[in-house]
Amino acid sequence: GAVVSQHPSWVICKSGTSVKIECRSLDFQATTMFWYRQFPKQSLMLMATSNEGSKATYEQGVEKDKFLINHASLTLSTLTVTSAHPEDSSFYICSARPGTAPTGELFFGEGSRLTVL
Amino acid sequence: GESVGLHLPTLSVQEGDNSIINCAYSNSASDYFIWYKQESGKGPQFIIDIRSNMDKRQGQRVTVLLNKTVKHLSLQIAATQPGDSAVYFCAEIRNYQLIWGAGTKLIIKP
Repeated sequence: GAVVSQHPSWVICKSGTSVKIECRSLDFQATTMFWYRQFPKQSLMLMATSNEGSKATYEQGVEKDKFLINHASLTLSTLTVTSAHPEDSSFYICSARPGTAPTGELFFGEGSRLTVL
Repeated sequence: GESVGLHLPTLSVQEGDNSIINCAYSNSASDYFIWYKQESGKGPQFIIDIRSNMDKRQGQRVTVLLNKTVKHLSLQIAATQPGDSAVYFCAEIRNYQLIWGAGTKLIIKP
């Protein structure tokens, strides 16, 4: 099946620094990628929809200046957590849909655990 | 508001027994549902899906049942194995986005 890779799988950073997380579709092209945040023992929360070549669409309540999303190619989307604070510590997951796949065939990355000290 | 939710947060099952995980949804217009499995520290994995024009769909050791009358979805896992330990989410597709349920943690007892 299709593979989505995230990097890094875990990262620890100091408060005030910025962290970039990459999401790559390894064997397919993805016009659209999605970024989620997941708190312990909770469901995934959609943060934004990343569209190749255009601006991301953010969900209500998600700060676009805080969570910068770039989808420069059909196989790569990045999420940058700017000026990270301890409350940004979370599990971030991306997903992607192959361009020709029917509705629902989303493939997920393994997630990136961010800890802000 | 509209939502997709699960009845039980935790389910303990004896190894070898069948597991049944339930899910209720509130949007009667939904026409596509998916079950995902998420192991600890990993991203969700697609298990099986079903469209509203079906009542039942079977995969390898898994069966999804859809009851549109009561807006209820269930995932049945046959002969549960230790590797089935995970959190299971039902999700509804709406406008190409996933509406997630809260999740049920499946615990396998040896």
